[in-house]
Amino acid sequence: SQQGEEDPQALSIQEGENATMNCSYKTSINNLQWYRQNSGRGLVHLILIRSNEREKHSGRLRVTLDTSKKSSSLLITASRAADTASYFCAWGYGQNFVFGPGTRLSVLP
Amino acid sequence: GAVVSQHPSRVICKSGTSVKIECRSLDFQATTMFWYRQFPKKSLMLMATSNEGSKATYEQGVEKDKFLINHASLTLSTLTVTSAHPEDSSFYICSAFWGDSMPDTQYFGPGTRLTVL
Repeated sequence: SQQGEEDPQALSIQEGENATMNCSYKTSINNLQWYRQNSGRGLVHLILIRSNEREKHSGRLRVTLDTSKKSSSLLITASRAADTASYFCAWGYGQNFVFGPGTRLSVLP
Repeated sequence: GAVVSQHPSRVICKSGTSVKIECRSLDFQATTMFWYRQFPKKSLMLMATSNEGSKATYEQGVEKDKFLINHASLTLSTLTVTSAHPEDSSFYICSAFWGDSMPDTQYFGPGTRLTVL
């Protein structure tokens, strides 16, 4: 399987705390992307990081990429209840695009 | 950004019937569309790649006679679940992009929830 892993599978934190999710993949990649999915809804693209980049920021989001370890992390700072969702990493290699298993984040008010 | 729609958003059908799901790119011409399936609390699994004017390429384990894909125009791809059974109940998501090679971003539809009774 090319799916890789995400950890944790589920994360529950208090509002205001930071949330860190990790993603590992198995192949060489062109880029890695993070998506959010609210329960039973479509995907929202959050951020893309290219294989030659190590860190990227967007608002309260910080993504890192370590191609030597084939891993990426997504940090959400100062979390809000509205951040409650499932978060998926996905990576592209060649003509393929694969999703990780996802992390379910619950932010408690 | 580019917009992709899906119709219907939700469908309930009886076992044995066929269901058609439409995926439309509203403001761009999609040379390629992907169809994904997502089980509850699980990730997206690619079912097939649909290129306009040619036969779809199915992933291993996906029955092409069960899941019929038609990409007849640059703005529309359809997925037909034939003789649906309860185990076909799932969330189906399409995505689309244009160009000859995989771009950085593909645009996702909002998904269709299929429930087979």
